[in-house]
Amino acid sequence: QQQVKQSPQSLIVQKGGISIINCAYENTAFDYFPWYQQFPGKGPALLIAIRPDVSEKKEGRFTISFNKSAKQFSLHIMDSQPGDSATYFCAASTMVADKLIFGTGTRLQVFP
Amino acid sequence: DVKVTQSSRYLVKRTGEKVFLECVQDMDHENMFWYRQDPGLGLRLIYFSYDVKMKEKGDIPEGYSVSREKKERFSLILESASTNQTSMYLCASSTRQVLNEKLFFGSGTQLSVL
Repeated sequence: QQQVKQSPQSLIVQKGGISIINCAYENTAFDYFPWYQQFPGKGPALLIAIRPDVSEKKEGRFTISFNKSAKQFSLHIMDSQPGDSATYFCAASTMVADKLIFGTGTRLQVFP
Repeated sequence: DVKVTQSSRYLVKRTGEKVFLECVQDMDHENMFWYRQDPGLGLRLIYFSYDVKMKEKGDIPEGYSVSREKKERFSLILESASTNQTSMYLCASSTRQVLNEKLFFGSGTQLSVL
């Protein structure tokens, strides 16, 4: 019940295309859903996050879509760029909990 | 900007050795975490600490221990390194007020146990 399932494991997108990464969870007590971005040789960094009181959050080319009834959330990267090539992790937690549960990661490659 | 510094980028140790991984943060954060990152398994929490001298087990604490003698420093200890502990180790910190809202990660230590 504590797992966060992430797919796909890897993704190859043409420059200018849309990248979509999906995550699913079981624990209905989760109320905070961040996405972290990790470049090679670096630690993950917070990219964007959503709480379940909204169905969508957009920051520039990055959008989180949240479906509470389906217990799913996804990251959309519009107009994908080679500089977006990185590993992306979804995560979930409750605000009163003591830890984040991370997904298994998606390696995104954007080709020119 | 918050800086989380891990003492070594790469480390090679032999089976049975005692290994210390050090992490220092410079933003006076109360919370510190140790994760390991393995391909296909994502980030798994080993131990975390809310305060000096306090520690809590994460999801995979077996074979590890931690030490937090000062607020800015959090050490991960492998008492007797084994080959299955070959991994990327990531340290992170956050403020108490927003426990999980934003984690700041170090660049990681790639540990190889031969």
